[in-house]
Amino acid sequence: ETGVTQTPRHLVMGMTNKKSLKCEQHLGHNAMYWYKQSAKKPLELMFVYSLEERVENNSVPSRFSPECPNSSHLFLHLHTLQPEDSALYLCASSPGYNTLTGELFFGEGSRLTVL
Amino acid sequence: RKEVEQDPGPFNVPEGATVAFNCTYSNSASQSFFWYRQDCRKEPKLLMSVYSSGNEDGRFTAQLNRASQYISLLIRDSKLSDSATYLCVVNRGGSQGNLIFGKGTKLSVKP
Repeated sequence: ETGVTQTPRHLVMGMTNKKSLKCEQHLGHNAMYWYKQSAKKPLELMFVYSLEERVENNSVPSRFSPECPNSSHLFLHLHTLQPEDSALYLCASSPGYNTLTGELFFGEGSRLTVL
Repeated sequence: RKEVEQDPGPFNVPEGATVAFNCTYSNSASQSFFWYRQDCRKEPKLLMSVYSSGNEDGRFTAQLNRASQYISLLIRDSKLSDSATYLCVVNRGGSQGNLIFGKGTKLSVKP
């Protein structure tokens, strides 16, 4: 069982809907991440939170809005998405942000389809 | 040139075969290197770090050539359970946020 849980696992939404993805980590980590994985593309980092503060925002469109209420929870709020936003959204955590261990602990992902 | 490039495969090999994956990276300032494994419809998981002197973990051997900016992963005596996509990951340095993932190489081990 993964120490990082994501809900929902699958989501279908229309372009005008508003939905949220939720991530919870049970590992006591200080850093949390949102990644996007599209078919035939590498994982793309979207946002990073370290100790509940956003430390990276990789030119992600404003229709994606992250929220980190505490070090164990991370949300990705979605609104007016486009079909090309359909992808697997992966949450990850790591013990710290300013380290080079390379170890991220991923959740199983939320597969999003935008109609 | 892409930051991290891998042969997408698929590599179809019989059980017991030895298979090698290669990866090149473009940023000569990169400091740390890793291989991740991602099973079909599952999340990526760290397989092993790659050290300058090369390192081995059971049937898996990882090597780094900084001069050529090249990383490899060798799997000996392939098992059916090795079937997965192997992701080459490079850290540009400074923080975990600088992990750059390759697209992955798909391995299918057949009986």
